[in-house]
Amino acid sequence: AQSVTQLGSHVSVSEGALVLLRCNYSSSVPPYLFWYVQYPNQGLQLLLKYTSAATLVKGINGFEAEFKKSETSFHLTKPSAHMSDAAEYFCAVRLRQAGTALIFGKGTTLSVSS
Amino acid sequence: AAGVIQSPRHLIKEKRETATLKCYPIPRHDTVYWYQQGPGQDPQFLISFYEKMQSDKGSIPDRFSAQQFSDYHSELNMSSLELGDSALYFCASSFHPGLAGGRSSYEQYFGPGTRLTVT
Repeated sequence: AQSVTQLGSHVSVSEGALVLLRCNYSSSVPPYLFWYVQYPNQGLQLLLKYTSAATLVKGINGFEAEFKKSETSFHLTKPSAHMSDAAEYFCAVRLRQAGTALIFGKGTTLSVSS
Repeated sequence: AAGVIQSPRHLIKEKRETATLKCYPIPRHDTVYWYQQGPGQDPQFLISFYEKMQSDKGSIPDRFSAQQFSDYHSELNMSSLELGDSALYFCASSFHPGLAGGRSSYEQYFGPGTRLTVT
């Protein structure tokens, strides 16, 4: 069975500081991995995805994530936080099969202070 | 670019009533997924359809049913509504080329959601 664990339900950083949101997964077979962002009262927007090509994946808004099989991790980073990055971030995993569901982590709320 | 369309965006129903949520996937996408997100919760998978056939099933109550039509849009039918059904319901779509080959979208693109309130 697949699962995703996001360490830290709430992360606070200062504007300009490094953002690090942690995600660990468990899966019996190599999965696809995703990070989504959700702003209040809005839908989920895809930030980036890992589909077994490059292990370092670059996404939108300056975010990137590195797939580390040995650590079963897919942590999300951004070198310099902006106020506009404040949102809920979800890590998700799914099997490589048509029509299979995304399994989401519990989410991490990112707060950015000036 | 066209996105996933959901209607209605907001819906208020009373207990024991029925509700129908609609989802129009991105053009050429053949797979539709339904998720339920309670307040402060992560999205929970309900059900999915690939080429109009059910492809995966999650924690969908027996009171709910869904289908995908020939134009690939999907409807989620909810009956005997309960207070606990109040949530944000998301539809997502993706494309899988299958035997025809080509590039899969892998990722699921989400609609803006339908906020259902049961009173």
